[in-house]
Order: sequence, then structure tokens, then C-alpha cells
Amino acid sequence: DTGVSQDPRHKITKRGQNVTFRCDPISEHNRLYWYRQTLGQGPEFLTYFQNEAQLEKSRLLSDRFSAERPKGSFSTLEIQRTEQGDSAMYLCASRPAGLSMNTEAFFGQGTRLTVV
Amino acid sequence: DAKTTQPNSMESNEEEPVHLPCNHSTISGTDYIHWYRQLPSQGPEYVIHGLTSNVNNRMASLAIAEDRKSSTLILHRATLRDAAVYYCILTNDYKLSFGAGTTVTVRA
Repeated sequence: DTGVSQDPRHKITKRGQNVTFRCDPISEHNRLYWYRQTLGQGPEFLTYFQNEAQLEKSRLLSDRFSAERPKGSFSTLEIQRTEQGDSAMYLCASRPAGLSMNTEAFFGQGTRLTVV
Repeated sequence: DAKTTQPNSMESNEEEPVHLPCNHSTISGTDYIHWYRQLPSQGPEYVIHGLTSNVNNRMASLAIAEDRKSSTLILHRATLRDAAVYYCILTNDYKLSFGAGTTVTVRA
């Protein structure tokens, strides 16, 4: 399978715990995105990487959230001191180099986080 | 990003065409029109995109109005597998901003 891979698919954690999600983009894609989606809503943009550089972070990404993309390959999204409001689907997407608006984004199947 | 307006839901019968409208009256000259769909419990999936001309691919057709203030995604023969939320997105940079989309139901 050469698509975008996310791990884990599901995560249940207790409030206050830290969690980390991993995204493996399509290998030749230099652009990587994280989104969050709650029930009944469209995905909301969280952050964007071009290679290893994090070029934009949404205001939705509080200080408890951090994302990295070392060496411009896989990416991790960490949430510290989780809160019940963090319960959502976390989606990763990647896109090839080139004119962004003229290329398609490939999404992973997401990591569903439940904070209890 | 410029806004899009889509109906909340649409129903279709299997094997019939589906026309999904999208209004984007504030579109700028550099905005591309993208469509994605999201099946239940899946990440979004690219459907089609265009700038000014109508576009066709194996999944769908995109008809863009001459003034570009609206567009229509056409699924030529709906199948049960086409039941999903369809998102119409305008983008002129690296970001895709999703709205609530149109929930398409296909009746057997």
C-alpha cells in the first residue's frame, strides 16, 4: 500500500495523559498536513509542513499540541495533558511538490482519539 | 479563503445522475475549485478539480459556470458506494479549507 498511513487508528486515553500520533506520507510528497475533525463537521486545518519546515499553525493548535516532521519524512502530532475536548479524528494528508492548488491531496484514514 | 455554499443534503436513486451544486460568488481569479468526498469512517478522498474549463475524470465531471461563481459536480451514475459527504473547496495556496459539505444519500 503506497497511500498515507496513520498509526494508531484508534486511541483511548485518560484525561491528562499525553498521546502521540504518527503519519507516514506518500514517499515522494514533500507537503504534509494535519487536520482535526469532530462529528458532523468538515476537517479543520491544524498545521502544514513543507519538507521538515512547519510553515503554518492554526490558532486551533494550542500550546498543548506540537507537531514535528524530522528529515521531511514521517510526522508526529503530540497532544499533552489531553482534555475531553480533544476527542476527535486526527487526519494526515500529503501532497506532491509543485503548484499546490493544482495538485490533489491524499488523506490517511485518520486516528480516532477518545479522551475519557 | 473564499467561501463556498452547498446544500446540506441530497438524495439520489441508484444508477441515476447526481448534480451537486456549489456557489462561490466571491471566487478570485487564482482560486482553483476542488471537490473531495468522505465516505463513512474514512479520510477525505480527492474527486476532481478545475480552474476555468469543465473537467472530466473517471469518477466525475466538474462543470464550471462561465463567470466561475458556481460549479456543479456530476456523478453520472450513482452507486451505493457514492454515498458520502461531498466537499466543494476553493484554494489558491497550499491549504484546503473544508466546509460542512453535502451529504449524499443513494437509494437502492
